[in-house]
Amino acid sequence: QVQLVQSGAEVKKPGSSVKVSCQASGGTFNTYAVSWVRQAPGQGLEWVGAFSPIFGTTNYAQNIRDRVTISADESTTTVYLELSGLRFEDTAVYYCARDHIPAGASRYFDLWGRGTLVIVSS
Amino acid sequence: EIVMTQSPATQSASPGERATLSCRASHNVNNKLAWYQQKSGQVPRLLIYGASTRATGVPARFSGSGSGTEFTLTISSLQSEDFAVYYCQQYDNWPRTFGQGTKVEIK
Repeated sequence: QVQLVQSGAEVKKPGSSVKVSCQASGGTFNTYAVSWVRQAPGQGLEWVGAFSPIFGTTNYAQNIRDRVTISADESTTTVYLELSGLRFEDTAVYYCARDHIPAGASRYFDLWGRGTLVIVSS
Repeated sequence: EIVMTQSPATQSASPGERATLSCRASHNVNNKLAWYQQKSGQVPRLLIYGASTRATGVPARFSGSGSGTEFTLTISSLQSEDFAVYYCQQYDNWPRTFGQGTKVEIK
């Protein structure tokens, strides 16, 4: 049974960068696309971007694409989200989420990590 | 970018009542529409995909319908565990986008 294990909470200064990881415990992402979804305190869900191992492609939300990079290690057991130029409004819980079925390019998500809280504070 | 608009923002209902949640897409999403439930302090849970297919383990009281740009999530008889926030999400176009959510609260 694959579980998504995310890295711990981070506190960062405005303008700095953060890198959050998501490890597939008990398996690999293999051919499953992985998305990152964030949720600011008391707010709704916001799709940030996705990585598709089978296509080797990434896609990003328009409002963040110039500051975000999603990558994976060679074995595709861990996927990373790196966000640069941090702003106060980037404060959120960042979830990784795996596609329901393999061989896609990020569709809908049935397996979620527990989230990583990123706080941007001066 | 496809904008997803959910209504109402909050729905108050009593256990046993029917709840009807709406989701409208700014463009046709070709039934590539998913619904999620999120309870307070928990991660989202996939309920429906393909506009009307229940995910594994989702009770039959949850049903999805609609096509094109107009979609509905219906909870036929609310149980205590159904009071939560519900989100729709389209996966027809990049970027993927979520609605802002509908909170179903106890009347």
